[in-house]
Amino acid sequence: ETGVTQSPTHLIKTRGQQVTLRCSSQSGHNTVSWYQQALGQGPQFIFQYYREEENGRGNFPPRFSGLQFPNYSSELNVNALELDDSALYLCASSIDRMDGYTFGSGTRLTVV
Amino acid sequence: GNSVTQMEGPVTLSEEAFLTINCTYTATGYPSLFWYVQYPGEGLQLLLKATKADDKGSNKGFEATYRKETTSFHLEKGSVQVSDSAVYFCALRDLGPNSGGSNYKLTFGKGTLLTMNP
Repeated sequence: ETGVTQSPTHLIKTRGQQVTLRCSSQSGHNTVSWYQQALGQGPQFIFQYYREEENGRGNFPPRFSGLQFPNYSSELNVNALELDDSALYLCASSIDRMDGYTFGSGTRLTVV
Repeated sequence: GNSVTQMEGPVTLSEEAFLTINCTYTATGYPSLFWYVQYPGEGLQLLLKATKADDKGSNKGFEATYRKETTSFHLEKGSVQVSDSAVYFCALRDLGPNSGGSNYKLTFGKGTLLTMNP
């Protein structure tokens, strides 16, 4: 197992810009979820992909979007960045929706 | 909607002290319950879980029992070590019919920081 790898580890963007965060899941993990963790808070569910289809979404606006690829990698895209988007973004994958999740170390996004 | 409430930190203990971190939950269905740990600069690691009432999850000396009657899942450890310093998150995954279409999402508490006395 290679674990869940996220890139980049840190990123600074300007308000209004767009950003793409990447996640490489473990082989065979057909489910990936993305979470936003603001400083001092618990992670908040953004959305989940199962077999390349969006399977559920939290209370995040449409400018948060994602993709999942057949090679077990995925992306989180955020358009029109706002200062409040500054957070740690966590990717989590699992073999199936019912299984336990393995989290990556996250991408720290700072919007200035 | 679902929610998780855990005791605010920081919790500061001496080495070998007994640890309790309280966690209560509100859920519409029949949730599975989890404790995750986050070490500085890292992502979340699953510490233990319980999938039904009266189940006890345990790992690395930590334990938590799923109490449906009190909607609680308190984390305990008999003798904490310096290496246990981290943020601990209680979470639930509600698989019930009214979970709003995101059946498999995790709902987290705000986290409790555990620090050790020098």
